[in-house]
Amino acid sequence: DVKVTQSSRYLVKRTGEKVFLECVQDMDHENMFWYRQDPGLGLRLIYFSYDVKMKEKGDIPEGYSVSREKKERFSLILESASTNQTSMYLCASSERARVYGYTFGSGTRLTVV
Amino acid sequence: GQSLEQPSEVTAVEGAIVQINCTYQTSGFYGLSWYQQHDGGAPTFLSYNALDGLEETGRFSSFLSRSDSYGYLLLQELQMKDSASYFCALFSGNTGKLIFGQGTTLQVKP
Repeated sequence: DVKVTQSSRYLVKRTGEKVFLECVQDMDHENMFWYRQDPGLGLRLIYFSYDVKMKEKGDIPEGYSVSREKKERFSLILESASTNQTSMYLCASSERARVYGYTFGSGTRLTVV
Repeated sequence: GQSLEQPSEVTAVEGAIVQINCTYQTSGFYGLSWYQQHDGGAPTFLSYNALDGLEETGRFSSFLSRSDSYGYLLLQELQMKDSASYFCALFSGNTGKLIFGQGTTLQVKP
């Protein structure tokens, strides 16, 4: 069964900490995405990547950066965590020919205190 | 820019048919996707409409009308397990990303 795996299900961090959220997919997908999900706001795109070492800003990139050194791994970095970054973070991947059909990970619930 | 609107909540009874609407504003897109998300779970892909008309997948059907900037997801023979949130999403092929609506919470009652 194909999978997108996020390293942590729940995470609690302090304000100002540097936070790494890891995502690994085993489907050899070219495209990977990071979204955050908040009540009433749906899923909002933070960053995405079409290929190794490539990245594009999404709709809300401020305060975040990403890294894609290997095809299967896409990391989201919160440079200096703030309380307004408390959210559910969802990683997804898709194959180039079927971009509309994402496979999502189970999410990381991040709380910044 | 692009935006999508969905009703925030819909309630229906087991065995009934329910339609979840999605209206959108965009300057151009390739198609409309639908995702289901159970509480605490990951969103899962349901369907995709590249062309106008109806796409059927078992009990679920999805419809797109580009001239009306409108789509819907139709769920037939509702089951309790269909209680979930449903998201429509625009696929902008030239950027390869999906823009999601805010989601509709469907509650199926006995």
